[in-house]
Amino acid sequence: QSVLTQPPSVSEAPRQRVTISCSGSSSNIGNNAVNWYQQLPGKAPKLLIYYDDLLPSGVSDRFSGSKSGTSASLAISGLQSEDEADYYCAVWDDSLNGVVFGGGTKLTVL
Amino acid sequence: EVQLVESGGGLVQPGRSLRLSCAASGFTFDDYAMHWVRQAPGKGLEWVSGNSWNSGRVGYADSVKGRFTISRDNAKNSLYLQMNSLRADDTALYYCARDTSRHIGVGFSSLDYWGQGTLVTVSS
Repeated sequence: QSVLTQPPSVSEAPRQRVTISCSGSSSNIGNNAVNWYQQLPGKAPKLLIYYDDLLPSGVSDRFSGSKSGTSASLAISGLQSEDEADYYCAVWDDSLNGVVFGGGTKLTVL
Repeated sequence: EVQLVESGGGLVQPGRSLRLSCAASGFTFDDYAMHWVRQAPGKGLEWVSGNSWNSGRVGYADSVKGRFTISRDNAKNSLYLQMNSLRADDTALYYCARDTSRHIGVGFSSLDYWGQGTLVTVSS
């Protein structure tokens, strides 16, 4: 059971918008910055969003992040088939003294 | 170009040991904390361990505490993971990842570069 809770899967049609939630607690999301990682099939994870809502260089602005209290969200607009991947939220946990990951959400573009 | 190349994985019997290595290039290694993250077959990501730039602070997941030891050699631009008393549930692809900070436990940092991973299989 992951410390951070994500839906196992989401699906949406091309060109639509989808959001992925990540729920935590005061010792992690409530006190530290949330990061999101994209893992394409058979590939290593890639940093997608850092510090709650910032995009690394080269990441499409179709991706956006937000945080409120002990929950965070990743939004993807203008869905494309190439966005099909697993998405993970992650954050430092002050109680566990380590990085915690969500269980991951598999995105299917219908 | 930042590169992280893991090595040292393989098939090992339960209870035995294995040492993973991560060779870093393309950046000033001792400016960054480093981590190991693993992924069991068909499962999600699990943080294993982290090491600050000067080894002044290290951290471990509860699942590996007391069995795994992280270390680094800044002169060799390398990160290591010594894994002892291996169990079947340690079977996973082990990734090396760079932190954006010099220290672990910095609440605003992230893992900005990842290697391709090295596979560890624990089975008799």
